[in-house]
Amino acid sequence: EVQLVETGGGLIQPGGSLRLSCTASGFTVSSNYMYWVRQAPGQGLDWVSVIYSGGNTYYADSVKGRFTISRDNSKNTLYLQMNSLRPEDTAVYYCATYDCSGTSCYPSYWGQGTLVTVSS
Amino acid sequence: DIQMTQSPSTLSASVGDRVTITCRASQSISSWLAWYQQKPGKAPKVLIYRASSLESGVPSRFSGSGSGTEFTLTISSLQPDDFATYYCQQYNSYLWTFGQGTKVEIK
Repeated sequence: EVQLVETGGGLIQPGGSLRLSCTASGFTVSSNYMYWVRQAPGQGLDWVSVIYSGGNTYYADSVKGRFTISRDNSKNTLYLQMNSLRPEDTAVYYCATYDCSGTSCYPSYWGQGTLVTVSS
Repeated sequence: DIQMTQSPSTLSASVGDRVTITCRASQSISSWLAWYQQKPGKAPKVLIYRASSLESGVPSRFSGSGSGTEFTLTISSLQPDDFATYYCQQYNSYLWTFGQGTKVEIK
C-alpha cells in the first residue's frame, strides 16, 4: 500500500527556515516524480515544486530562490527546505505523486499534509 | 504556465440534484485532467483521472467528460456525503496547475 507521511511543520518567525519531510512507503521515491503542493488557509491548491525521477527540479515563481526540493534515496524520503519564510507561505503543505500501476499515470497519492505557520 | 479556470466558485444544491462543474484550460491539455474532492481538514481525494476515468472505489454517480480545453464534472444525484469542495487539475504539464475550486453547499 502506498503511503506518504509529511512532518516538520510548525510555527516559525518571518525570515526563518524550516525543513519539511515526506516519508514514502509502498514505492520508491527516486523512481517517481514527487511534488509539493500547498494550500493557504481557506484557499485553493497551489503547486510549489517538483523533482523528477532523473533529478531535475522546478519551482513556482513565488518560492524560487527560497525553497529547495530534494530527496534521500536511502531513506525513501522527500524534503522541502524552506528559507526566508514569509507570512504568505503560511499553508498546509502536501507531498503528492502519481499512480502508475495502471495503463497510464495520474496524480493520485497525497499525504495528510503538514501545517506551516509563518508569524511573529 | 497553463491556467485552469473553474466555475462556479460556489454552488447551492439539494440532495438528489444533478450538479455540473466546469473547468477550462488556457491551452489544450488533451485529456490530462483530474478532478478532486476535498473536505475540511483532509487531503484532496482523486475522483476522476484522464478526464473521464473513474477512480477505483468512487461512486458511479460521479462522471467526467471533455478534452482539449473544456471539461465537466457531473454528479448525477447529489448525496449528503458529496457536500465538499471540488478542484480540477491539469497534468499535461508536469508543472501542475489547479482550478480555483467549487464549493458545493446545501441549499
